[in-house]
Amino acid sequence: DTGVSQDPRHKITKRGQNVTFRCDPISEHNRLYWYRQTLGQGPEFLTYFQNEAQLEKSRLLSDRFSAERPKGSFSTLEIQRTEQGDSAMYLCASSETGGTPSSYNEQFFGPGTRLTVL
Amino acid sequence: GNSVTQMEGPVTLSEEAFLTINCTYTATGYPSLFWYVQYPGEGLQLLLKATKADDKGSNKGFEATYRKETTSFHLEKGSVQVSDSAVYFCALTASGTYKYIFGTGTRLKVLA
Repeated sequence: DTGVSQDPRHKITKRGQNVTFRCDPISEHNRLYWYRQTLGQGPEFLTYFQNEAQLEKSRLLSDRFSAERPKGSFSTLEIQRTEQGDSAMYLCASSETGGTPSSYNEQFFGPGTRLTVL
Repeated sequence: GNSVTQMEGPVTLSEEAFLTINCTYTATGYPSLFWYVQYPGEGLQLLLKATKADDKGSNKGFEATYRKETTSFHLEKGSVQVSDSAVYFCALTASGTYKYIFGTGTRLKVLA
């Protein structure tokens, strides 16, 4: 297993277009997370899944954003009607199930998809 | 709400200098605390962690101690190398949640 992978690595689109990103987590990991990172800032949480269930969504995730994990393996993040403010690095991470939230919970991050909206 | 505050960068040091990057947090309950590192062109990697008060996380010569009384988790290294040049992120997971809350990151540049 080579870790978390994301596709594409870079995406340039015009304002108003729809884009979709894919994340493949580490195979034995049941939890999958999406974060957004803008220049000079730390990653900000968007949403997370346990298996195929989407358990938490940030208020940052507007109606134009939708994430799915249909079979509990890979996940997709779609942005509809993109805006220039959506330009950012979109990070995916995965972690094992087990333990409570207050216990050790290492998330493994992918390389990210850099989105540029013109 | 829960938050993480890091010292602003960039931090520029000469090789073998002592490093401190300050991190303080605000959180209810007993968060877990982490330092992640992002090397140029690479993804975030866990550097070290601490899950309860007074725990000391350590890895690759870096250390950080979970101080509940000062709500801090400062990163230290006794002798930095050029290869330590990267962006360092302090993060927490609050009680009852799995998501990370990150600081803004501190860029470290080590000169030979």
